Amino acid sequence: GENVEQHPSTLSVQEGDSAVIKCTYSDSASNYFPWYKQELGKGPQLIIDIRSNVGEKKDQRIAVTLNKTAKHFSLHITETQPEDSAVYFCAASRGAAGNKLTFGGGTRVLVKP
Amino acid sequence: DGGITQSPKYLFRKEGQNVTLSCEQNLNHDAMYWYRQDPGQGLRLIYYSQIVNDFQKGDIAEGYSVSREKKESFPLTVTSAQKNPTAFYLCASSIRSAINTEAFFGQGTRLTVV
Repeated sequence: GENVEQHPSTLSVQEGDSAVIKCTYSDSASNYFPWYKQELGKGPQLIIDIRSNVGEKKDQRIAVTLNKTAKHFSLHITETQPEDSAVYFCAASRGAAGNKLTFGGGTRVLVKP
Repeated sequence: DGGITQSPKYLFRKEGQNVTLSCEQNLNHDAMYWYRQDPGQGLRLIYYSQIVNDFQKGDIAEGYSVSREKKESFPLTVTSAQKNPTAFYLCASSIRSAINTEAFFGQGTRLTVV
């Protein structure tokens, strides 16, 4: 089955700096890669996703890149703000057969004011 | 106001007892999922259902059971056979589609065995 590795497990950045989280996956048939943000005591919320026919996607301060050949994808947050502090999860799914997501282990991001 | 509702938010169980976690959605989604989250770890799939009256085991189904009698509801029972049930349980749903779609999560139930 699919295996998703996520690094780093914790990330501390100064407000205004950029944060980068990287994930690798094992199943070459995976074609959907969402990123979720989880605040303390709450369920994860989708912040951005990318499909295998796209190499990069941006949404304001957030961007995701995908390298299918190398089987890795990354989340980039620019101009970080204190409200970006949370746990971020990457995930991968291979599509129509149930949309089962396999998650990475998570990255705890702390933005210091 | 559409969404996924999990109840209760906190649940305490004595060892040897079964307990059922509720998950209800009014998003008209066909697919529903249960994930388990342990401290500092990612989410692991317990069970999922793509359609009413059908469900499949995920990666860590042992000690759990589910039912899907209604489209809106996907309750999870944690049985006494689950060796380490203390965890944060998350329910999710998504549109059943030929392509991947966003999974929406509930706010979770924190289960503690006392």
